[in-house]
Amino acid sequence: AQKVTQAQTEISVVEKEDVTLDCVYETRDTTYYLFWYKQPPSGELVFLIRRNSFDEQNEISGRYSWNFQKSTSSFNFTITASQVVDSAVYFCALIGDNAGKSTFGDGTTLTVKP
Amino acid sequence: DTGVSQNPRHKITKRGQNVTFRCDPISEHNRLYWYRQTLGQGPEFLTYFQNEAQLEKSRLLSDRFSAERPKGSFSTLEIQRTEQGDSAMYLCASSFGIGYTFGSGTRLTVV
Repeated sequence: AQKVTQAQTEISVVEKEDVTLDCVYETRDTTYYLFWYKQPPSGELVFLIRRNSFDEQNEISGRYSWNFQKSTSSFNFTITASQVVDSAVYFCALIGDNAGKSTFGDGTTLTVKP
Repeated sequence: DTGVSQNPRHKITKRGQNVTFRCDPISEHNRLYWYRQTLGQGPEFLTYFQNEAQLEKSRLLSDRFSAERPKGSFSTLEIQRTEQGDSAMYLCASSFGIGYTFGSGTRLTVV
């Protein structure tokens, strides 16, 4: 069985602060993919980043960066210099090697105050 | 092509009524997924199709739920004899390979 845990239910920061969202996963698959999605108040889930299990290289894309560590089964996501428009619910998700269903965490609600 | 389209956006129904939702995926995507999301939770997998074949169904998909994808194009999700516990956001997503594009969802309220 697969499981994704987002221990942080809610985070509140002031604009321009950096914020890291934590994600811990469990899977028995040797090949898997990890994702972060953003769900703004409008409700539509928006894809942000993807990483496969064979690529632990951490990258930066604009204000987003991620830290994937297989040794600790963690896939953390950082927003640098947060903005009010970053306020949303953020979901971490896992797809196993059957490339079918995703398992989602319960989300972290990020509030960025001006 | 403007993405994954779901209709209706909102549906209010009385308990015991049947409801049907429609999802139009991105045209070149061969996989289509249905998820359900309740308040404060992440999306929960219901079922998915590869072309017209339904490859996997969750245990969440009781006998009252049925999904179809005729000719591998649009999909419908029907809930029969709705219950208050069916109130949720029903999300559709499509993909070609790894990674989804989600629609805006259909919010169902059973009163």
